[in-house]
Amino acid sequence: EVQLVESGGGLVQPGGSLRLSCLASGFTFSTYAMHWVRQTPGKGLEYVSAISSNGGSTYYADSVKGGFTISRDNSKNTLFLQMSSLRAEDTAVYYCVKGYSSSWYKDAFDIWGQGTMVTVSS
Amino acid sequence: QSVLTQPPSASGTPGQRVTISCSGSNSNIGSNYVYWYQQLPGTAPKLLIYRNNQRPSGVPDRFSGSKSGTSASLAISGLRSEDEADYYCAAWDDSLSGVVFGGGTKLTVL
Repeated sequence: EVQLVESGGGLVQPGGSLRLSCLASGFTFSTYAMHWVRQTPGKGLEYVSAISSNGGSTYYADSVKGGFTISRDNSKNTLFLQMSSLRAEDTAVYYCVKGYSSSWYKDAFDIWGQGTMVTVSS
Repeated sequence: QSVLTQPPSASGTPGQRVTISCSGSNSNIGSNYVYWYQQLPGTAPKLLIYRNNQRPSGVPDRFSGSKSGTSASLAISGLRSEDEADYYCAAWDDSLSGVVFGGGTKLTVL
C-alpha cells in the first residue's frame, strides 16, 4: 500500500523556521516526482513546491520562493521542506503528494499524505 | 481568490445526478489537462479524475469528467450519502507556471 507520512509541523513564531519531512513507502520513491501542497480555510489549496525524481529540478510558488527549500533523500525514501522566514500567511495544513511521473512539470497529484499542520503565530 | 472558478456548493438527493463546473482560461484548462480531487470530511484530498476524464483504479464509474474549451465538469450519477465531500478541480497554468486549483465545491447529499 502506498503511504506518505508527514511530520515536523507545529507552532512557530513569525520569522522562525521549520522542517517538514515525508516518509514514503509502498512504491519506488526514487522514480517519482514529489510535491508539497498546502491548504488553508481561507485560500483553499495552494501548490507550494515540487522536486523531480532525482532531485535535479525543483519548483517553488512565488509566494514561498526564497524562503522554502525542497529536497529529498532517495536512500531514505524521504521528502523534505525546509521553511524559513515564516509568516502568518504560511499557516496551513501541508500535504506531501506523490506525482505520476519523474518530472514535476505538468505532473498530476496521485497520492496524498494525511497532512501536517503548521501554525505561524506569536 | 482561486484561479479556477467553482460553485461553492451543490446538492442532490440519493440516486440523483449532480454536476460540478470548473471554469478557467486559455492558459490553464484551455491548454492543459484537468484533474478532480475529492476531500471527505477530515481527510486529505484524493485523486478522482485525471487527464480530463480518466478514473484511477478503484474510483466508481459513477464519477465522470469532461472538458470543453476553458471549462470542465465533474458529474456524479447515482448519488450516495458517502459522496458528501468537497470537490476540487485543478490544472497546470502555463502563465503562472504552476498548478492552480478551484476554490472547491461542497457537495451535500440531502
